[in-house]
Amino acid sequence: AQTVTQSQPEMSVQEAETVTLSCTYDTSENNYYLFWYKQPPSRQMILVIRQEAYKQQNATENRFSVNFQKAAKSFSLKISDSQLGDTAMYFCAFPFGGATNKLIFGTGTLLAVQP
Amino acid sequence: GAGVSQSPSNKVTEKGKDVELRCDPISGHTALYWYRQSLGQGLEFLIYFQGNSAPDKSGLPSDRFSAERTGGSVSTLTIQRTQQEDSAVYLCASRVGGSNYGYTFGSGTRLTVV
Repeated sequence: AQTVTQSQPEMSVQEAETVTLSCTYDTSENNYYLFWYKQPPSRQMILVIRQEAYKQQNATENRFSVNFQKAAKSFSLKISDSQLGDTAMYFCAFPFGGATNKLIFGTGTLLAVQP
Repeated sequence: GAGVSQSPSNKVTEKGKDVELRCDPISGHTALYWYRQSLGQGLEFLIYFQGNSAPDKSGLPSDRFSAERTGGSVSTLTIQRTQQEDSAVYLCASRVGGSNYGYTFGSGTRLTVV
């Protein structure tokens, strides 16, 4: 079965500090993408970063980077120099289902950046 | 359009009434998805369209839920005889067919059944 687990329902970080959000998943597929989405109060899901499973190099997008451990099926998100605008729900997700490629999501982590 | 547009943004309806939620995807995106997000939860897949056909309807929770897509563009999700447990945010996403990245989401419709 395809599953995504986010074990941290809520996290808090001080502005300018670094925080890491955890995600583990299970899939029988060998080649896939992994995503982190941010959902602010506006409700729109915004893509933060994506990782291709066949690439060993961890993806980086400005202040956002991932620690991808394929064997352990772990995909954590590191946010450096946290900003107040980073306050949001964060969801880990990956597509499965053959041609359908529907995204399966974790239950999310609510991140609060404190001034 | 430039993004995925959903309407209405918010909808309050009485229990037992029918509602229609609309999604206007990015032009040229052949794949379209509907998801449901209940309070404090992750997103639950409902239905997938490729063009005008729906090869995966496995997430629709009951026969009160249906969806259609016309002209390979706009999609409508219909909920008949709404129940209080249908209260949620309904999100639509589209992507270019043939790729498994580049999903773009709308801002959703918050449905409240009273």
